[in-house]
Amino acid sequence: NAGVTQTPKFQVLKTGQSMTLQCAQDMNHEYMSWYRQDPGMGLRLIHYSVGAGITDQGEVPNGYNVSRSTTEDFPLRLLSAAPSQTSVYFCASSYSKFREAFFGQGTRLTVV
Amino acid sequence: AQSVTQLDSHVSVSEGTPVLLRCNYSSSYSPSLFWYVQHPNKGLQLLLKYTSAATLVKGINGFEAEFKKSETSFHLTKPSAHMSDAAEYFCVVSLISGGGADGLTFGKGTHLIIQP
Repeated sequence: NAGVTQTPKFQVLKTGQSMTLQCAQDMNHEYMSWYRQDPGMGLRLIHYSVGAGITDQGEVPNGYNVSRSTTEDFPLRLLSAAPSQTSVYFCASSYSKFREAFFGQGTRLTVV
Repeated sequence: AQSVTQLDSHVSVSEGTPVLLRCNYSSSYSPSLFWYVQHPNKGLQLLLKYTSAATLVKGINGFEAEFKKSETSFHLTKPSAHMSDAAEYFCVVSLISGGGADGLTFGKGTHLIIQP
């Protein structure tokens, strides 16, 4: 009964470092997405994927990279971390971009 | 384009009293609408959803919401608040039919405080 699994739960990076946030789902959903949550801003879409091999940009894609080699996995890469990327990151999956999304538990990232 | 406005950033009620969290939306097409709840340091959990069936939608934990097209509203209510309801609540709008780049659009959230 795993649903959407994100790792790690917490991470501290130094400015300029790179890292990958992992996301896996076991519901066979075609659509997966990454959001960032900042105080008073709600959730903002970073990147999304409508299936293996297909990705596209969301509202705030700069500084992030994604790939989708399998239906289950959708990692998010920070290429060169900046303090402005300090946030809580959520991965979600759903049957389509218009249907309800199922969320992971989040990754709290701090860039110093 | 679609948008969603949660009219209150914070709502405080006493335990046992009714809860009302207000949400207005804007959409060029027939929308799907959702309410999510986020407890501290947790992910988002779906409370309920409206997808063009009954306008009064019942969700988990005693919450319900009514879709009012004439008022473009989807307010969330609960008859009697419980301490465990203290959380952040998000109203979300989505297009039912395709034709736009928008998927889910989130409101900025309402922080619900329950006073003992």
